[in-house]
Amino acid sequence: GENVEQHPSTLSVQEGDSAVIKCTYSDSASNYFPWYKQELGKGPQLIIDIRSNVGEKKDQRIAVTLNKTAKHFSLHITETQPEDSAVYFCAARKAAGKSTFGDGTTLTVKP
Amino acid sequence: SAVISQKPSRDICQRGTSLTIQCQVDSQVTMMFWYRQQPGQSLTLIATANQGSEATYESGFVIDKFPISRPNLTFSTLTVSNMSPEDSSIYLCSVEAGQYVRYGYTFGSGTRLTVV
Repeated sequence: GENVEQHPSTLSVQEGDSAVIKCTYSDSASNYFPWYKQELGKGPQLIIDIRSNVGEKKDQRIAVTLNKTAKHFSLHITETQPEDSAVYFCAARKAAGKSTFGDGTTLTVKP
Repeated sequence: SAVISQKPSRDICQRGTSLTIQCQVDSQVTMMFWYRQQPGQSLTLIATANQGSEATYESGFVIDKFPISRPNLTFSTLTVSNMSPEDSSIYLCSVEAGQYVRYGYTFGSGTRLTVV
């Protein structure tokens, strides 16, 4: 089955700096790659996603890139703010299959 | 996108007892998913619940331990049976985000279970 590896497990940045979280996947049939943000005491929230026919997608301060050949995708957060502090999960999914999640990255943005 | 109401939000239970978690969605959805998230860890799929059929369980999870009901297209329950301290986790239900299948999930706020 699908295997998703996520790095780093923890990331600490200064407010205003950029943060990058990277994931690799194993199943070349996966074609949908969402990113979730989980704040303390809450369920994960979908923040951005990318499909296999797109190389990059941007939404305000967050962007996701996908390299299908290398089977890796990344989340980029620019101009980080303290409210960006949370656990971020990547996931990979085939069209009709279940999502496989990475192990999560705890992002801390220091004021 | 769908709004999910999950309850209870937390509970402390005695070992050997059972807890039923409820998940109510504000719109009709075909599939509902139940996940377990152990402290500081990722999300592990327990089972997929379809209305009108038996739930499909993932490897390592069995119906006797985690019975699921799906009586209609907006509601599901997960029961954690004969609990032990190892069952202490956050349990989450989720559905496909949006009215049409868009592959992303909407999650409930989770049930934080502590077994003592």
